[in-house]
Amino acid sequence: NAGVTQTPKFRVLKTGQSMTLLCAQDMNHEYMYWYRQDPGMGLRLIHYSVGEGTTAKGEVPDGYNVSRLKKQNFLLGLESAAPSQTSVYFCASRPTGAPYGYTFGSGTRLTVV
Amino acid sequence: LAKTTQPISMDSYEGQEVNITCSHNNIATNDYITWYQQFPSQGPRFIIQGYKTKVTNEVASLFIPADRKSSTLSLPRVSLSDTAVYYCLVAPTGTASKLTFGTGTRLQVTL
Repeated sequence: NAGVTQTPKFRVLKTGQSMTLLCAQDMNHEYMYWYRQDPGMGLRLIHYSVGEGTTAKGEVPDGYNVSRLKKQNFLLGLESAAPSQTSVYFCASRPTGAPYGYTFGSGTRLTVV
Repeated sequence: LAKTTQPISMDSYEGQEVNITCSHNNIATNDYITWYQQFPSQGPRFIIQGYKTKVTNEVASLFIPADRKSSTLSLPRVSLSDTAVYYCLVAPTGTASKLTFGTGTRLQVTL
């Protein structure tokens, strides 16, 4: 059981470039989340999904878009990367009925220069 | 959304019991209390959750008083590998439920 898999693990982008971060889970979880973590800070929620075909904004959604075309995948897109988006991005999923039971991926370290 | 307050950092020697207390004064009736652990360069990992009284698993114990306005995570006989950041979170129920992370408690275990 792989759990939550994030790709890529590392990426360096130039300002203005675009990219997509992929999150895949094999636990048949309904809920999926994208967080970012900056040095010395806790995780901040970017976007989340409560099921296939649904997305919703979190605490810091500006500059990001998401899609959940398949239940097992949750994509996070940066259309025009900015240095302020340099961060570590974590994806998580959880099953219905367990609001506390998140499984996190190992993260994507993104640097925008 | 219930806000949590926990110490910024704690130090312990290996083999000691560590208790981290968290306050969540405005917790709602249907909210769960949950704790996560995060090592450097890794995603947070679920440790334990509870609603009231005491919960124990193979990793930790969670004590919740009757008023549920605080909780204490207890780590028995810590080792160097328990050095991590520990997050206390309130997990609301419902479709739009999401975890809101604070800065957590940085636990440093030394010999």
